[in-house]
Amino acid sequence: NAGVMQNPRHLVRRRGQEARLRCSPMKGHSHVYWYRQLPEEGLKFMVYLQKENIIDESGMPKERFSAEFPKEGPSILRIQQVVRGDSAAYFCASSPPGLAGTDTQYFGPGTRLTVL
Amino acid sequence: DAKTTQPNSMESNEEEPVHLPCNHSTISGTDYIHWYRQLPSQGPEYVIHGLTSNVNNRMASLAIAEDRKSSTLILHRATLRDAAVYYCILNYGGATNKLIFGTGTLLAVQP
Repeated sequence: NAGVMQNPRHLVRRRGQEARLRCSPMKGHSHVYWYRQLPEEGLKFMVYLQKENIIDESGMPKERFSAEFPKEGPSILRIQQVVRGDSAAYFCASSPPGLAGTDTQYFGPGTRLTVL
Repeated sequence: DAKTTQPNSMESNEEEPVHLPCNHSTISGTDYIHWYRQLPSQGPEYVIHGLTSNVNNRMASLAIAEDRKSSTLILHRATLRDAAVYYCILNYGGATNKLIFGTGTLLAVQP
């Protein structure tokens, strides 16, 4: 029973390039969350998606960031025209449908993005 | 979002029990208390959660005060592998299930 998978584990981009981070949730999970952890800071919620729907994107920066969770395939977090301040660890989590407030989120190992 | 307060850091010796406190005086009746931990260079890991009653699982126990304004995560025998940042989070679910992470407690385990 594979856990949440993220790839790549490490990603290096130059300023102005695009970064695509992928997340495959655990089998049977239809809810995906993205979190960001800046260096020496805590984890911050970015976005919550269900299949083909964005449920809550209150933590997403207003520009350059987008996320999707298509009917088939992994969830993608896309960062356009990356800047040095985007360097961080990006974690994806998934959860099964369940009672509100009780859902356990299972986290992936993260993608560490470095912007040169 | 209801807020939690945890000590910044704690120390324990290997093989001894550890009690990690969390205050959540503004908790509402529908808030579940969740604990996650993050080992160095890894993603967060679910530990335990509860609503009103004390809970046990293979990793830890969760003791919830009768008024629910505080809780304690109990690791019965700390190991070196338990060295991590422990986060106490209130989750009411609602339309979104997002987790609001605070600064957590950094647990150091001495051999």
